Amino acid sequence: GIQVEQSPPDLILQEGANSTLRCNFSDSVNNLQWFHQNPWGQLINLFYIPSGTKQNGRLSATTVATERYSLLYISSSQTTDSGVYFCAVEPDFGNEKLTFGTGTRLTIIP
Amino acid sequence: DTEVTQTPKHLVMGMTNKKSLKCEQHMGHRAMYWYKQKAKKPPELMFVYSYEKLSINESVPSRFSPECPNSSLLNLHLHALQPEDSALYLCASSHGQGADAFFGQGTRLTVV
Repeated sequence: GIQVEQSPPDLILQEGANSTLRCNFSDSVNNLQWFHQNPWGQLINLFYIPSGTKQNGRLSATTVATERYSLLYISSSQTTDSGVYFCAVEPDFGNEKLTFGTGTRLTIIP
Repeated sequence: DTEVTQTPKHLVMGMTNKKSLKCEQHMGHRAMYWYKQKAKKPPELMFVYSYEKLSINESVPSRFSPECPNSSLLNLHLHALQPEDSALYLCASSHGQGADAFFGQGTRLTVV
């Protein structure tokens, strides 16, 4: 099956700092999503971005489908940004299997 | 409305119990999913239903039995579970292939 690797696995930053999270995947995809999992386990949709660039407030994401990677940018980090960030992909050969990456645990220190 | 509702939020059950997890969505989505997430790991796919029919079973043990009574509801029936089955169980739905998926808050299951 498709392999999805995220880096870095852990990231500790001071409040106000910027960060870049990376997601590499092994096959072409027709769906790529970024999620933030809060401490209670809820997966919050951040971006649906199989290709291109999107921005939502302090967050933005870019997917370069031809090179099989996606980046999530967080600017001016806040303590509420803490949690685990997952990318999840569905391969192009269309079997509705959304596979999650390994995750990045982000900790923002006040 | 992008809400997927799961009940209960927490469940403690003995190894001889039978229980059910429930999931509901009213977004008109045709695909519904069960995922299992162990601590400090990513969610792992268990089952996919498409148009109320089971389309994917990721070799899940038979002590987990999914059911899709209608297009809005998804159940997961649990029987004779083991302590290692303790995990967060997440339900999701989407319009199908290539569409973005939305997740419920999960049921945190503890098997004693």
